[in-house]
Amino acid sequence: IAGITQAPTSQILAAGRRMTLRCTQDMRHNAMYWYRQDLGLGLRLIHYSNTAGTTGKGEVPDGYSVSRANTDDFPLTLASAVPSQTSVYFCASSDSQATGELFFGEGSRLTVL
Amino acid sequence: GQNIDQPTEMTATEGAIVQINCTYQTSGFNGLFWYQQHAGEAPTFLSYNVLDGLEEKGRFSSFLSRSKGYSYLLLKELQMKDSASYLCAVKDSNYQLIWGAGTKLIIKP
Repeated sequence: IAGITQAPTSQILAAGRRMTLRCTQDMRHNAMYWYRQDLGLGLRLIHYSNTAGTTGKGEVPDGYSVSRANTDDFPLTLASAVPSQTSVYFCASSDSQATGELFFGEGSRLTVL
Repeated sequence: GQNIDQPTEMTATEGAIVQINCTYQTSGFNGLFWYQQHAGEAPTFLSYNVLDGLEEKGRFSSFLSRSKGYSYLLLKELQMKDSASYLCAVKDSNYQLIWGAGTKLIIKP
Protein backbone atom coordinates (compact mmCIF):
# COMPACT_ATOMS: atom_id res chain seq x y z
CA ILE A 1 0.00 0.00 0.00
CA ALA A 2 1.42 3.35 -1.03
CA GLY A 3 2.03 5.88 1.67
CA ILE A 4 4.24 6.32 4.72
CA THR A 5 5.55 3.52 6.86
CA GLN A 6 6.86 4.07 10.38
CA ALA A 7 8.69 1.61 12.61
CA PRO A 8 8.50 0.58 15.31
CA THR A 9 4.80 0.97 16.07
CA SER A 10 5.48 0.94 19.77
CA GLN A 11 8.60 0.84 21.93
CA ILE A 12 9.50 0.98 25.61
CA LEU A 13 12.96 2.37 26.17
CA ALA A 14 15.22 2.88 29.17
CA ALA A 15 16.38 6.43 29.81
CA GLY A 16 19.81 7.13 28.36
CA ARG A 17 19.44 4.66 25.49
CA ARG A 18 19.74 5.65 21.85
CA MET A 19 16.72 5.11 19.63
CA THR A 20 16.00 5.59 15.94
CA LEU A 21 12.46 5.85 14.59
CA ARG A 22 12.28 4.92 10.96
CA CYS A 23 10.11 6.57 8.32
CA THR A 24 9.82 5.63 4.65
CA GLN A 25 7.51 7.05 1.99
CA ASP A 26 6.91 5.83 -1.55
CA MET A 27 5.02 8.84 -2.91
CA ARG A 28 8.19 10.67 -4.03
CA HIS A 29 7.23 13.64 -1.89
CA ASN A 30 9.89 16.29 -1.49
CA ALA A 31 9.02 17.47 2.01
CA MET A 32 9.03 15.30 5.13
CA TYR A 33 8.35 16.08 8.76
CA TRP A 34 8.56 14.65 12.25
CA TYR A 35 5.94 15.67 14.82
CA ARG A 36 5.28 14.67 18.38
CA GLN A 37 1.76 14.59 19.79
CA ASP A 38 1.11 14.89 23.51
CA LEU A 39 -2.23 14.91 25.29
CA GLY A 40 -3.77 18.38 25.38
CA LEU A 41 -1.21 19.85 23.03
CA GLY A 42 -1.24 20.34 19.30
CA LEU A 43 1.13 18.52 17.02
CA ARG A 44 4.60 20.00 17.51
CA LEU A 45 7.18 19.98 14.75
CA ILE A 46 10.52 18.46 15.71
CA HIS A 47 12.48 18.55 12.43
CA TYR A 48 11.65 18.84 8.78
CA SER A 49 13.25 18.38 5.38
CA ASN A 50 12.15 20.30 2.29
CA THR A 51 14.14 18.09 -0.06
CA ALA A 52 16.70 15.30 0.04
CA GLY A 53 20.00 16.48 1.49
CA THR A 54 18.52 19.31 3.55
CA THR A 55 17.02 19.42 7.05
CA GLY A 56 15.72 22.10 9.38
CA LYS A 57 14.76 22.54 13.01
CA GLY A 58 11.17 22.81 14.08
CA GLU A 59 9.57 24.01 17.29
CA VAL A 60 11.03 21.33 19.63
CA PRO A 61 14.30 20.00 18.12
CA ASP A 62 16.38 19.57 21.29
CA GLY A 63 17.40 15.97 21.95
CA TYR A 64 16.51 14.85 18.43
CA SER A 65 18.40 14.60 15.15
CA VAL A 66 17.41 13.68 11.59
CA SER A 67 19.00 12.91 8.27
CA ARG A 68 17.68 12.89 4.71
CA ALA A 69 20.09 10.91 2.57
CA ASN A 70 17.46 10.23 -0.11
CA THR A 71 13.89 11.16 -1.00
CA ASP A 72 12.22 8.17 0.62
CA ASP A 73 13.77 7.90 4.09
CA PHE A 74 13.71 10.30 7.03
CA PRO A 75 14.85 8.67 10.30
CA LEU A 76 14.54 10.41 13.66
CA THR A 77 17.18 9.67 16.31
CA LEU A 78 17.05 10.23 20.04
CA ALA A 79 20.70 10.21 21.08
CA SER A 80 20.04 9.71 24.80
CA ALA A 81 16.36 9.27 25.61
CA VAL A 82 14.75 11.06 28.56
CA PRO A 83 11.29 10.50 30.10
CA SER A 84 9.98 13.81 28.68
CA GLN A 85 10.40 12.29 25.22
CA THR A 86 7.60 9.85 25.98
CA SER A 87 5.10 10.67 23.25
CA VAL A 88 3.48 9.56 20.03
CA TYR A 89 5.66 10.43 17.05
CA PHE A 90 4.22 10.99 13.60
CA CYS A 91 6.16 11.18 10.38
CA ALA A 92 4.49 13.06 7.52
CA SER A 93 5.20 14.06 3.96
CA SER A 94 3.87 16.49 1.37
CA ASP A 95 4.58 17.11 -2.29
CA SER A 96 5.10 20.80 -1.61
CA GLN A 97 6.16 22.62 1.50
CA ALA A 98 4.25 25.67 0.34
CA THR A 99 0.80 24.31 -0.36
CA GLY A 100 0.54 20.56 -0.06
CA GLU A 101 -1.57 18.64 2.41
CA LEU A 102 0.26 16.34 4.78
CA PHE A 103 0.13 12.57 4.60
CA PHE A 104 0.86 10.94 7.95
CA GLY A 105 2.33 7.63 8.98
CA GLU A 106 0.49 5.54 11.56
CA GLY A 107 2.64 6.81 14.41
CA SER A 108 5.23 5.40 16.79
CA ARG A 109 4.32 5.28 20.47
CA LEU A 110 7.48 5.70 22.53
CA THR A 111 7.69 5.29 26.29
CA VAL A 112 10.91 6.28 28.06
CA LEU A 113 11.29 4.94 31.58
CA GLY B 1 3.34 34.46 19.73
CA GLN B 2 1.38 32.24 17.41
CA ASN B 3 -1.81 30.68 18.66
CA ILE B 4 -4.63 28.45 17.43
CA ASP B 5 -7.73 28.15 19.63
CA GLN B 6 -10.46 25.56 19.32
CA PRO B 7 -12.83 24.02 21.86
CA THR B 8 -11.46 21.03 23.73
CA GLU B 9 -14.56 18.87 23.44
CA MET B 10 -18.02 18.94 21.88
CA THR B 11 -20.98 16.59 22.01
CA ALA B 12 -23.62 16.19 19.31
CA THR B 13 -26.41 13.79 18.37
CA GLU B 14 -26.39 11.36 15.48
CA GLY B 15 -28.10 12.90 12.46
CA ALA B 16 -27.63 16.47 13.68
CA ILE B 17 -25.31 19.28 12.57
CA VAL B 18 -22.27 20.51 14.49
CA GLN B 19 -19.96 23.48 13.96
CA ILE B 20 -16.40 23.40 15.27
CA ASN B 21 -14.78 26.82 15.52
CA CYS B 22 -11.13 27.75 15.18
CA THR B 23 -9.56 31.14 15.77
CA TYR B 24 -5.96 31.90 14.98
CA GLN B 25 -3.25 34.48 15.50
CA THR B 26 -0.21 33.76 13.37
CA SER B 27 2.67 35.61 11.77
CA GLY B 28 1.36 35.58 8.24
CA PHE B 29 -1.19 33.32 6.61
CA ASN B 30 -0.76 30.82 3.81
CA GLY B 31 -3.79 28.63 4.24
CA LEU B 32 -5.84 26.83 6.87
CA PHE B 33 -6.28 23.08 7.11
CA TRP B 34 -8.70 20.80 8.91
CA TYR B 35 -7.70 17.23 9.73
CA GLN B 36 -9.65 14.38 11.30
CA GLN B 37 -7.98 12.05 13.77
CA HIS B 38 -9.66 8.94 15.14
CA ALA B 39 -8.39 7.72 18.50
CA GLY B 40 -5.12 5.85 18.14
CA GLU B 41 -4.80 6.69 14.45
CA ALA B 42 -3.00 9.20 12.26
CA PRO B 43 -4.55 12.53 11.22
CA THR B 44 -6.16 12.55 7.77
CA PHE B 45 -6.78 15.59 5.59
CA LEU B 46 -10.31 17.01 5.43
CA SER B 47 -10.15 20.48 3.89
CA TYR B 48 -8.01 23.45 2.88
CA ASN B 49 -9.04 27.12 2.77
CA VAL B 50 -6.83 29.92 1.52
CA LEU B 51 -9.48 32.41 0.36
CA ASP B 52 -12.46 33.72 2.32
CA GLY B 53 -15.65 31.78 2.01
CA LEU B 54 -17.14 28.34 2.25
CA GLU B 55 -15.68 25.14 0.79
CA GLU B 56 -18.12 22.25 0.63
CA LYS B 57 -17.15 18.62 0.35
CA GLY B 58 -20.00 16.19 0.89
CA ARG B 59 -21.23 16.28 4.48
CA PHE B 60 -18.30 18.46 5.53
CA SER B 61 -17.86 22.19 4.86
CA SER B 62 -15.16 24.59 5.97
CA PHE B 63 -15.41 28.36 6.21
CA LEU B 64 -12.67 30.98 6.42
CA SER B 65 -12.61 34.68 7.30
CA ARG B 66 -9.04 35.95 7.09
CA SER B 67 -9.94 39.40 8.42
CA LYS B 68 -11.37 37.85 11.58
CA GLY B 69 -8.76 35.11 11.94
CA TYR B 70 -11.60 32.63 12.08
CA SER B 71 -12.62 29.33 10.55
CA TYR B 72 -15.22 26.71 11.23
CA LEU B 73 -15.78 23.12 10.19
CA LEU B 74 -19.42 22.17 9.68
CA LEU B 75 -20.42 18.53 9.83
CA LYS B 76 -23.92 17.62 8.64
CA GLU B 77 -25.96 14.43 9.07
CA LEU B 78 -23.66 13.25 11.80
CA GLN B 79 -22.77 9.58 11.90
CA MET B 80 -21.26 7.60 14.76
CA LYS B 81 -18.07 7.21 12.71
CA ASP B 82 -17.61 11.01 12.89
CA SER B 83 -16.60 10.62 16.53
CA ALA B 84 -12.98 11.79 16.37
CA SER B 85 -10.73 14.73 17.09
CA TYR B 86 -10.72 17.56 14.57
CA LEU B 87 -7.47 19.49 14.20
CA CYS B 88 -7.22 23.03 12.88
CA ALA B 89 -3.84 24.12 11.47
CA VAL B 90 -2.59 27.32 9.84
CA LYS B 91 0.43 27.77 7.57
CA ASP B 92 2.36 30.85 8.65
CA SER B 93 4.53 33.20 6.61
CA ASN B 94 7.34 30.60 6.61
CA TYR B 95 4.93 27.91 5.37
CA GLN B 96 5.22 26.09 8.69
CA LEU B 97 2.04 24.54 10.05
CA ILE B 98 0.84 25.78 13.44
CA TRP B 99 -1.55 23.28 15.03
CA GLY B 100 -4.42 23.69 17.43
CA ALA B 101 -4.77 21.14 20.24
CA GLY B 102 -7.80 19.62 18.55
CA THR B 103 -11.51 19.31 19.33
CA LYS B 104 -12.76 15.93 20.49
CA LEU B 105 -16.21 15.36 19.01
CA ILE B 106 -18.45 12.86 20.77
CA ILE B 107 -21.50 11.62 18.84
CA LYS B 108 -24.38 10.22 20.86
CA PRO B 109 -27.15 8.03 19.43
